[in-house]
Amino acid sequence: QSALTQPASVSGSPGQSITISCTGTSSDVGSYNLVSWYQQHPGKAPKLMIYEGSKRPSGVSNRFSGSKSGNTASLTISGLQAEDEADYYCCSYAGSSTFVWVFGGGTKLTVL
Amino acid sequence: QVTLRESGPALVKPTQTLTLTCTFSGFSLSTSGMCVSWVRQPPGKALEWLALIDWDDDKYYSTSLKTRLTISKDTSKNQVVLTMTNMDPVDTATYYCARLQFGEWYFDYWGQGTLVTVSS
Repeated sequence: QSALTQPASVSGSPGQSITISCTGTSSDVGSYNLVSWYQQHPGKAPKLMIYEGSKRPSGVSNRFSGSKSGNTASLTISGLQAEDEADYYCCSYAGSSTFVWVFGGGTKLTVL
Repeated sequence: QVTLRESGPALVKPTQTLTLTCTFSGFSLSTSGMCVSWVRQPPGKALEWLALIDWDDDKYYSTSLKTRLTISKDTSKNQVVLTMTNMDPVDTATYYCARLQFGEWYFDYWGQGTLVTVSS
Protein backbone atom coordinates (compact mmCIF):
# COMPACT_ATOMS: atom_id res chain seq x y z
CA GLN A 1 0.00 0.00 0.00
CA SER A 2 1.29 3.45 -0.90
CA ALA A 3 0.87 6.35 1.48
CA LEU A 4 -1.97 8.77 0.88
CA THR A 5 -0.93 12.15 -0.54
CA GLN A 6 -1.32 15.28 1.55
CA PRO A 7 0.14 18.76 1.09
CA ALA A 8 3.22 19.20 3.23
CA SER A 9 1.96 22.44 4.71
CA VAL A 10 -0.97 24.81 4.83
CA SER A 11 -1.42 28.06 6.66
CA GLY A 12 -4.14 30.51 7.60
CA SER A 13 -4.87 33.45 9.82
CA PRO A 14 -7.02 33.25 12.93
CA GLY A 15 -10.69 33.17 12.03
CA GLN A 16 -10.07 31.95 8.50
CA SER A 17 -10.88 28.52 7.07
CA ILE A 18 -8.43 26.06 5.60
CA THR A 19 -8.83 22.73 3.82
CA ILE A 20 -6.36 19.84 3.79
CA SER A 21 -6.67 17.32 1.00
CA CYS A 22 -5.87 13.62 1.15
CA THR A 23 -5.60 11.79 -2.15
CA GLY A 24 -5.61 8.04 -2.43
CA THR A 25 -6.73 5.50 -4.97
CA SER A 26 -9.76 3.45 -5.87
CA SER A 27 -8.34 0.75 -3.57
CA ASP A 28 -8.49 2.85 -0.42
CA VAL A 29 -10.09 6.31 -0.18
CA GLY A 30 -12.24 5.74 -3.25
CA SER A 31 -13.52 2.33 -2.18
CA TYR A 32 -14.62 3.03 1.36
CA ASN A 33 -16.11 5.89 3.34
CA LEU A 34 -13.61 5.04 6.06
CA VAL A 35 -11.21 7.97 6.11
CA SER A 36 -10.21 9.25 9.53
CA TRP A 37 -8.24 12.36 10.45
CA TYR A 38 -5.83 12.80 13.34
CA GLN A 39 -4.38 15.92 14.93
CA GLN A 40 -0.90 15.68 16.43
CA HIS A 41 0.76 18.38 18.47
CA PRO A 42 4.57 18.22 18.86
CA GLY A 43 5.63 15.43 21.16
CA LYS A 44 2.08 14.20 21.62
CA ALA A 45 0.09 11.19 20.46
CA PRO A 46 -2.33 11.55 17.55
CA LYS A 47 -5.89 12.50 18.42
CA LEU A 48 -8.92 11.37 16.44
CA MET A 49 -10.73 14.37 14.91
CA ILE A 50 -12.90 12.89 12.14
CA TYR A 51 -13.96 9.30 11.40
CA GLU A 52 -15.90 7.65 8.61
CA GLY A 53 -15.16 10.63 6.41
CA SER A 54 -17.29 13.24 8.13
CA LYS A 55 -18.24 12.21 11.67
CA ARG A 56 -16.87 13.98 14.73
CA PRO A 57 -16.13 12.16 17.98
CA SER A 58 -17.68 13.56 21.11
CA GLY A 59 -15.70 16.54 22.34
CA VAL A 60 -14.25 17.58 18.98
CA SER A 61 -15.19 21.10 17.93
CA ASN A 62 -17.72 21.49 15.13
CA ARG A 63 -15.17 23.78 13.47
CA PHE A 64 -13.68 20.53 12.13
CA SER A 65 -15.46 18.88 9.23
CA GLY A 66 -14.67 16.20 6.69
CA SER A 67 -15.80 15.27 3.22
CA LYS A 68 -14.89 13.04 0.29
CA SER A 69 -15.11 13.18 -3.45
CA GLY A 70 -13.88 10.25 -5.49
CA ASN A 71 -10.39 9.30 -4.38
CA THR A 72 -9.83 12.50 -2.39
CA ALA A 73 -10.87 13.21 1.17
CA SER A 74 -10.72 16.65 2.75
CA LEU A 75 -10.52 18.12 6.23
CA THR A 76 -11.78 21.65 6.70
CA ILE A 77 -11.10 23.72 9.78
CA SER A 78 -13.16 26.87 10.09
CA GLY A 79 -12.62 29.78 12.44
CA LEU A 80 -8.93 28.96 12.82
CA GLN A 81 -7.54 29.24 16.33
CA ALA A 82 -3.97 29.28 17.53
CA GLU A 83 -4.39 25.88 19.19
CA ASP A 84 -5.26 24.31 15.83
CA GLU A 85 -1.60 24.65 14.81
CA ALA A 86 -0.46 21.03 14.58
CA ASP A 87 0.25 18.20 12.16
CA TYR A 88 -2.76 16.53 10.59
CA TYR A 89 -2.82 13.00 9.19
CA CYS A 90 -5.47 11.25 7.15
CA CYS A 91 -5.88 7.50 7.29
CA SER A 92 -7.91 5.10 5.20
CA TYR A 93 -8.89 1.50 5.58
CA ALA A 94 -7.47 -0.21 2.51
CA GLY A 95 -8.27 -3.86 2.99
CA SER A 96 -9.87 -6.12 0.48
CA SER A 97 -8.77 -9.68 1.14
CA THR A 98 -7.19 -8.67 4.44
CA PHE A 99 -7.17 -5.79 6.89
CA VAL A 100 -4.78 -2.96 6.05
CA TRP A 101 -4.65 0.73 6.94
CA VAL A 102 -2.70 3.45 5.13
CA PHE A 103 -1.80 6.91 6.44
CA GLY A 104 -1.11 10.12 4.62
CA GLY A 105 2.25 11.86 4.71
CA GLY A 106 0.95 14.52 7.09
CA THR A 107 0.26 18.24 6.77
CA LYS A 108 1.75 20.91 8.98
CA LEU A 109 -0.86 23.58 9.74
CA THR A 110 0.53 26.96 10.67
CA VAL A 111 -1.76 29.59 12.16
CA LEU A 112 -0.25 32.92 11.16
CA GLN B 1 -11.79 5.36 30.87
CA VAL B 2 -9.70 3.81 28.12
CA THR B 3 -5.94 4.12 28.44
CA LEU B 4 -3.02 2.47 26.64
CA ARG B 5 0.65 2.59 27.53
CA GLU B 6 3.62 1.34 25.54
CA SER B 7 6.76 -0.02 27.14
CA GLY B 8 10.02 -1.48 25.90
CA PRO B 9 13.68 -0.73 25.35
CA ALA B 10 14.69 2.77 24.35
CA LEU B 11 17.77 1.50 22.52
CA VAL B 12 18.36 -1.61 20.46
CA LYS B 13 21.32 -2.64 18.34
CA PRO B 14 21.10 -3.37 14.63
CA THR B 15 20.04 -6.96 13.84
CA GLN B 16 18.48 -7.38 17.30
CA THR B 17 14.82 -8.20 17.90
CA LEU B 18 12.60 -5.50 19.40
CA THR B 19 9.85 -6.46 21.83
CA LEU B 20 7.26 -3.86 22.78
CA THR B 21 4.36 -4.24 25.19
CA CYS B 22 1.09 -2.34 25.15
CA THR B 23 -0.72 -2.42 28.49
CA PHE B 24 -4.26 -1.16 28.37
CA SER B 25 -7.26 -0.58 30.60
CA GLY B 26 -10.89 0.38 30.19
CA PHE B 27 -11.69 -2.40 27.76
CA SER B 28 -10.96 -6.09 27.27
CA LEU B 29 -9.54 -7.88 24.28
CA SER B 30 -11.82 -10.77 25.12
CA THR B 31 -14.80 -8.58 24.24
CA SER B 32 -16.16 -9.18 20.78
CA GLY B 33 -15.14 -6.43 18.40
CA MET B 34 -12.14 -5.09 20.28
CA CYS B 35 -8.81 -4.75 18.48
CA VAL B 36 -5.39 -3.26 19.23
CA SER B 37 -3.01 -1.97 16.60
CA TRP B 38 0.58 -0.74 16.44
CA VAL B 39 1.56 2.38 14.52
CA ARG B 40 5.04 3.92 14.29
CA GLN B 41 6.43 7.33 13.43
CA PRO B 42 10.08 8.00 12.57
CA PRO B 43 11.33 11.34 13.88
CA GLY B 44 9.87 14.15 11.79
CA LYS B 45 8.07 11.73 9.52
CA ALA B 46 4.60 10.31 8.96
CA LEU B 47 2.62 7.67 10.78
CA GLU B 48 2.86 4.10 9.49
CA TRP B 49 0.43 1.29 10.36
CA LEU B 50 2.20 -1.91 11.42
CA ALA B 51 -0.13 -4.59 12.77
CA LEU B 52 -3.47 -5.39 14.36
CA ILE B 53 -4.78 -8.15 16.59
CA ASP B 54 -8.45 -8.72 17.29
CA TRP B 55 -10.51 -10.27 20.08
CA ASP B 56 -10.60 -13.55 18.19
CA ASP B 57 -6.79 -13.68 17.97
CA ASP B 58 -6.78 -12.91 14.25
CA LYS B 59 -3.66 -11.02 13.22
CA TYR B 60 -2.98 -8.65 10.36
CA TYR B 61 0.29 -7.08 9.25
CA SER B 62 1.66 -4.35 7.05
CA THR B 63 2.47 -5.88 3.69
CA SER B 64 5.95 -4.38 3.64
CA LEU B 65 6.90 -5.53 7.16
CA LYS B 66 4.95 -8.74 7.63
CA THR B 67 8.02 -10.98 7.48
CA ARG B 68 9.55 -9.17 10.48
CA LEU B 69 6.50 -8.61 12.69
CA THR B 70 4.65 -10.77 15.19
CA ILE B 71 1.73 -9.50 17.27
CA SER B 72 0.25 -11.40 20.18
CA LYS B 73 -2.00 -10.83 23.16
CA ASP B 74 -2.30 -11.84 26.78
CA THR B 75 -5.92 -11.21 27.60
CA SER B 76 -5.49 -11.96 31.30
CA LYS B 77 -2.87 -9.22 31.60
CA ASN B 78 -4.58 -6.77 29.22
CA GLN B 79 -1.45 -6.67 27.12
CA VAL B 80 -0.53 -6.80 23.45
CA VAL B 81 3.04 -7.57 22.43
CA LEU B 82 4.74 -6.63 19.17
CA THR B 83 8.04 -8.15 18.12
CA MET B 84 10.08 -6.87 15.20
CA THR B 85 13.10 -8.83 14.07
CA ASN B 86 16.33 -7.72 12.41
CA MET B 87 16.13 -4.12 13.57
CA ASP B 88 17.84 -1.46 11.44
CA PRO B 89 18.55 2.24 12.05
CA VAL B 90 15.68 3.11 9.72
CA ASP B 91 13.36 1.48 12.26
CA THR B 92 14.16 4.27 14.72
CA ALA B 93 10.74 5.67 15.57
CA THR B 94 8.13 6.35 18.19
CA TYR B 95 5.93 3.28 18.43
CA TYR B 96 2.29 3.75 19.40
CA CYS B 97 -0.41 1.28 20.26
CA ALA B 98 -4.01 2.24 19.59
CA ARG B 99 -7.46 0.77 20.02
CA LEU B 100 -9.80 0.04 17.18
CA GLN B 101 -13.25 -1.51 17.21
CA PHE B 102 -14.24 -4.01 14.59
CA GLY B 103 -16.49 -2.46 11.98
CA GLU B 104 -15.50 1.08 12.92
CA TRP B 105 -12.04 1.08 11.31
CA TYR B 106 -10.50 4.08 13.07
CA PHE B 107 -8.12 4.42 15.99
CA ASP B 108 -10.07 6.01 18.80
CA TYR B 109 -7.60 5.82 21.68
CA TRP B 110 -3.81 6.01 21.52
CA GLY B 111 -0.98 5.45 23.94
CA GLN B 112 1.59 8.18 24.49
CA GLY B 113 4.17 6.32 22.42
CA THR B 114 7.64 5.00 23.15
CA LEU B 115 10.75 6.11 21.26
CA VAL B 116 12.98 3.30 20.08
CA THR B 117 16.42 4.15 18.73
CA VAL B 118 18.36 1.61 16.70
CA SER B 119 22.07 2.21 16.97
CA SER B 120 25.25 0.30 17.66
